[in-house]
Amino acid sequence: DAGVTQSPTHLIKTRGQQVTLRCSPKSGHDTVSWYQQALGQGPQFIFQYYEEEERQRGNFPDRFSGHQFPNYSSELNVNALLLGDSALYLCASSSDRNTEAFFGQGTRLTVV
Amino acid sequence: AQSVTQLDSQVPVFEEAPVELRCNYSSSVSVYLFWYVQYPNQGLQLLLKYLSGSTLVKGINGFEAEFNKSQTSFHLRKPSVHISDTAEYFCAVMANDYKLSFGAGTTVTVRA
Repeated sequence: DAGVTQSPTHLIKTRGQQVTLRCSPKSGHDTVSWYQQALGQGPQFIFQYYEEEERQRGNFPDRFSGHQFPNYSSELNVNALLLGDSALYLCASSSDRNTEAFFGQGTRLTVV
Repeated sequence: AQSVTQLDSQVPVFEEAPVELRCNYSSSVSVYLFWYVQYPNQGLQLLLKYLSGSTLVKGINGFEAEFNKSQTSFHLRKPSVHISDTAEYFCAVMANDYKLSFGAGTTVTVRA
């Protein structure tokens, strides 16, 4: 079992650019959540996807969007990047309505 | 909405000494409680969780935590730490929306 896999592991982008991060959930999981972890802080919930739809969303602007595919994998898109978007982006997968979430290694995004 | 306060940002401790990490939470509804560990440049790993039942919860790597409803606390303890326990520890809560709300984290540094 490969667990939750995220790609890429590191990424450097320029302000104003757009970025796409990818996540493959653990085998058997159908729910994917995304979190942003700024340096020295705890992860903050961005949104959650289930059955290819955004089920709930945290306090993030519309520049942050996502998608879930029929195979349950997911993408996080961020438009018009700001310096403050620099962070570790974590993907977590779970079974629907299950309390245990498994996290990937994260994607380290640096905006310059 | 839920919030989590981790009362110690940094905890230095000597090898084989006990350690306690303090966590208080605030919520208007019943919540589930979690402790996660994050090693450098890695994602989050679940240490233990409280869903219901016995208030003393045992987790992996010799960690345990006690849920105290009257004090809205969920402190994490280990009777004897190892160098390998050096990491960032996060307390988190989850309501029936199945999204995690994290504290700011406690950095544990174990010295020989």
